[in-house]
Amino acid sequence: SQTIHQWPATLVQPVGSPLSLECTVEGTSNPNLYWYRQAAGRGLQLLFYSVGIGQISSEVPQNLSASRPQDRQFILSSKKLLLSDSGFYLCAWKLRQNSGNTIYFGEGSWLTVV
Amino acid sequence: RKEVEQDPGPFNVPEGATVAFNCTYSNSASQSFFWYRQDCRKEPKLLMSVYSSGNEDGRFTAQLNRASQYISLLIRDSKLSDSATYLCVVMRGATNKLIFGTGTLLAVQP
Repeated sequence: SQTIHQWPATLVQPVGSPLSLECTVEGTSNPNLYWYRQAAGRGLQLLFYSVGIGQISSEVPQNLSASRPQDRQFILSSKKLLLSDSGFYLCAWKLRQNSGNTIYFGEGSWLTVV
Repeated sequence: RKEVEQDPGPFNVPEGATVAFNCTYSNSASQSFFWYRQDCRKEPKLLMSVYSSGNEDGRFTAQLNRASQYISLLIRDSKLSDSATYLCVVMRGATNKLIFGTGTLLAVQP
C-alpha cells in the first residue's frame, strides 16, 4: 500500500533562518506531488505542484521554493523565513491523471516563525 | 471572490440531528468534486467523492449540481465523532489541482 510521510512534524524557527521540509511517498511511482499551506483560520492554499522529477510549478509568488530531486521525494525550502510563513504545511500525492482522482495528505508540518 | 465558497459555520447541532452543508464553485471547468474531513490540527482526509447522480455512504449523502455549480453534503443521525471541519474541494486543470474551500466547522453536542 502507498504511504506518505513528511517531516519534521513541528518546528519553531527565527525570522531570517532557512527552512527545509521533506516529503516522501512509498508504494507508488510517478505520482503528482503537491505542497499546500494552511494559515490560521484560512483554507488550504496550493503552493507548488510537480508532475515529475525536476518539474515544479508555483502557484503563488512567495518566499518559498520547492524541488523534486527524486521521483517520490518533494522538498519545500526557504532561504530566509518571514513571520508570514508560519502555518501548517501539507505534502500530498495522487496517482497520475486518469489513474485516480483521490489525493492523499501527509501528516503535516507545523511551522512557527518567531 | 474565492473559487470555492463555503459557510464557515460553526454549526452546533445535537446528537442525532441532520445537518446539511453547502458549497459553490465559480470555475465551470472544474472536473471532479470531493468532501474532505479535517480534525483539529490534523491533515485532511477524504470523506467522499461527489457525483452528478448523487452518492451515499452510510449516513453521508453528497450531491452535485453542475448547472448551478453547487455541491452539498448531508449528514444524518449526527454522532459526536462527526465533529470536525468539512472541506469542499474541486479538481480542475491538466495537472488535477485541488482547490479547497475554507471549510465548515461542525460541532455535535451531547
